[in-house]
Amino acid sequence: AQKVTQAQTEISVVEKEDVTLDCVYETRDTTYYLFWYKQPPSGELVFLIRRNSFDEQNEISGRYSWNFQKSTSSFNFTITASQVVDSAVYFCALLNTGGFKTIFGAGTRLFVKA
Amino acid sequence: EAQVTQNPRYLITVTGKKLTVTCSQNMNHEYMSWYRQDPGLGLRQIYYSMNVEVTDKGDVPEGYKVSRKEKRNFPLILESPSPNQTSLYFCASIGPVSGANVLTFGAGSRLTVL
Repeated sequence: AQKVTQAQTEISVVEKEDVTLDCVYETRDTTYYLFWYKQPPSGELVFLIRRNSFDEQNEISGRYSWNFQKSTSSFNFTITASQVVDSAVYFCALLNTGGFKTIFGAGTRLFVKA
Repeated sequence: EAQVTQNPRYLITVTGKKLTVTCSQNMNHEYMSWYRQDPGLGLRQIYYSMNVEVTDKGDVPEGYKVSRKEKRNFPLILESPSPNQTSLYFCASIGPVSGANVLTFGAGSRLTVL
């Protein structure tokens, strides 16, 4: 069975703090994609990053960075020097490339206070 | 502009009154999918389609129907809506965006069934 767990339901930080959002997944597939999406208060789903299962290279994009560790089945997301505009719900998702079933985590709501 | 368009964005209806939520994409993607988002549960896949005339059930298909007669359109049909189908619905397509396969979502359709 496939599963994505985002154990942190809500996180509250003060602006400029660093924050890490955890994502742990389960799958028997050897080839899959992992995603992070942001859902701001306006409700749309904004794509942040995609990782292939065979690419464990970490990635940094501005204040955002992602740590993919296949050995622990984790794909964690770190925001450095958080800003109020980062306040949103963040979803981690798993897509199996064989049948294109997608599994989302329950989401982590991030509050960044000024 | 590459996009997924859903309509209506907001709908209030009554139990048993058939409704259709339309979804259209202009990216020529083969894969399309419907999700519902409920508090604490993240996004759950309802149905997906690998191509024209090819559809398959996701994790929560009960009470829904879909069709894929054309590549660009993937409507979600609620034959006899019930209050437990009150939710936020998202349509998505998967295909290359800037060289990588990603899920592109519509803006969402908020449905209330009284």
